[in-house]
Amino acid sequence: SQQGEEDPQALSIQEGENATMNCSYKTSINNLQWYRQNSGRGLVHLILIRSNEREKHSGRLRVTLDTSKKSSSLLITASRAADTASYFCATDEGSNYQLIWGAGTKLIIKP
Amino acid sequence: EPEVTQTPSHQVTQMGQEVILRCVPISNHLYFYWYRQILGQKVEFLVSFYNNEISEKSEIFDDQFSVERPDGSNFTLKIRSTKLEDSAMYFCASTRDRGGKNIQYFGAGTRLSVL
Repeated sequence: SQQGEEDPQALSIQEGENATMNCSYKTSINNLQWYRQNSGRGLVHLILIRSNEREKHSGRLRVTLDTSKKSSSLLITASRAADTASYFCATDEGSNYQLIWGAGTKLIIKP
Repeated sequence: EPEVTQTPSHQVTQMGQEVILRCVPISNHLYFYWYRQILGQKVEFLVSFYNNEISEKSEIFDDQFSVERPDGSNFTLKIRSTKLEDSAMYFCASTRDRGGKNIQYFGAGTRLSVL
């Protein structure tokens, strides 16, 4: 089964607007994490939300988690051109806590 | 701030050759992982390593792959006889804990190009 699927696959917005990305998963989790990847580069950890948490903030990032719907959202407020990247959610559904990844959302911020 | 380092950043090899990808995890971390990402696709788990042995491996991690922690700092991924389809970004990750606080810190990756 496919875990941690994001939508939309691609999102293009104007600088200053808010960007919302969603992620769904299929089994029970301990936590869900969001990572950012600039084109062809490494994976940068953004935020972790535990299964007993519903919302978490970090700077311009807001993450929500709905375990009943097995879904999460990442909101980036007041977007900047530098936010252009791919964003991935990952859940620790593996039997040894390995991360299971979604396909990612490619975010483009137009100046 | 401590970070995971990977070398080389780009490795070009001929099909059938052996490659070794190197990683230096964060020093007080105990759990180590290799993932790969084929261009334009999602990140896929390869193998996890703890206490000097493999704790989990995926279907991708067949007999052509091996991992080793030869000393107290390095963590290596070896591909014995590379295939064209092994071309991908390979990421090493480490974490101190598992479960609820399991932030995995990733290296910048090694881009493997098999010709």
